[in-house]
Amino acid sequence: AQSVTQLGSHVSVSEGALVLLRCNYSSSVPPYLFWYVQYPNQGLQLLLKYTSAATLVKGINGFEAEFKKSETSFHLTKPSAHMSDAAEYFCAVIRGGSNYKLTFGKGTLLTVNP
Amino acid sequence: EAGVAQSPRYKIIEKRQSVAFWCNPISGHATLYWYQQILGQGPKLLIQFQNNGVVDDSQLPKDRFSAERLKGVDSTLKIQPAKLEDSAVYLCASAGTSGSQETQYFGPGTRLLVL
Repeated sequence: AQSVTQLGSHVSVSEGALVLLRCNYSSSVPPYLFWYVQYPNQGLQLLLKYTSAATLVKGINGFEAEFKKSETSFHLTKPSAHMSDAAEYFCAVIRGGSNYKLTFGKGTLLTVNP
Repeated sequence: EAGVAQSPRYKIIEKRQSVAFWCNPISGHATLYWYQQILGQGPKLLIQFQNNGVVDDSQLPKDRFSAERLKGVDSTLKIQPAKLEDSAVYLCASAGTSGSQETQYFGPGTRLLVL
């Protein structure tokens, strides 16, 4: 069964520090991969997506993620954290042949300290 | 372009009562999804529609949950009767066709509290 593992349910960084949120997936078929962000009391907003084009994907708000098939990973990074980045981040995957069904990880809450 | 609309935003009911949520997808999007997001977890798919037909409802608790998408546009999700464990955020999402159907756009959600 398709699964997504997000390492660390809570990550805390200082403003200006590197943000690294980890995501590993299990799939025998190269997937579509996504990172979504959820601000308090809001829906999910797409940050970026991987669809088998470039392995380094750039998204909104300065975030990027690198698809590494050998490591089955799709970690999210941002060079310098901003207070406005504080939110919950979800990694998600679409397995081939699944009717584009999204499977989400449990989420990582990012806290940014001044 | 207007996003996915949902109403109400918040709902508080007592257990065994019924409740309904409404979703209006992005104009022209053929695929519509309902997700349940329990506190501290990622969203879980309840049902997927393609136009007005059901594609996947394998995780919908059909003894109490029902959903419809008449005319292939708006959709309603109903719970009857509600249980305490139904307290969650119910998210609606839609996706287009012709090369962009892998990207889902989410509404703001309806936060349900069952007392």
